[in-house]
Amino acid sequence: AQSVTQLDSQVPVFEEAPVELRCNYSSSVSVYLFWYVQYPNQGLQLLLKYLSGSTLVESINGFEAEFNKSQTSFHLRKPSVHISDTAEYFCAVSDVSGANNLFFGTGTRLTVIP
Amino acid sequence: DAGITQSPRHKVTETGTPVTLRCHQTENHRYMYWYRQDPGHGLRLIHYSYGVKDTDKGEVSDGYSVSRSKTEDFLLTLESATSSQTSVYFCAISERAGQGSEQYFGPGTRLTVT
Repeated sequence: AQSVTQLDSQVPVFEEAPVELRCNYSSSVSVYLFWYVQYPNQGLQLLLKYLSGSTLVESINGFEAEFNKSQTSFHLRKPSVHISDTAEYFCAVSDVSGANNLFFGTGTRLTVIP
Repeated sequence: DAGITQSPRHKVTETGTPVTLRCHQTENHRYMYWYRQDPGHGLRLIHYSYGVKDTDKGEVSDGYSVSRSKTEDFLLTLESATSSQTSVYFCAISERAGQGSEQYFGPGTRLTVT
């Protein structure tokens, strides 16, 4: 079975400051890794994912995440946040050989302060 | 946006009553999922379907049943609702399993059991 830990439930940060949202996972098998974002009163949207290859993956809106196998981490970063980045962010894993079932972390609420 | 609708969007019901939530997709995706979202727990998989009439249990399936008689519809039933089933329920769809295939989420149904 897989599990995901997001230690920070809330992260306040000032506009244009950098941010890192932490994600650690546990699994006995190889996994795919995902970051989903949930804006207020909406469903989840995929932000980025790691399947294989380069350990650094990027999204179209400036976020990036780095897969670190030795530390079993997949932290999400952005060098300069905007007000519009205020949302809840979920890290998730799925078994590479499974039915695509996602195991989610408990989420991190990012609040960007003007 | 993926064509996923959920109905109803909001529902208040009494303990002991049956409740059915509907997920409808227009993408012809094979895989469909039901999750519940609770503070401090993130999203947890209830049931999923890998084809018409093919379903399986997820992490928190007790007290829930599902049915899928058509590709486009996936129903979640609470046979006798309890207060612990007060939650926000999300449906998701996926074109295929494995290979890190993206799941697309519906807008959610907020269910309150009094």
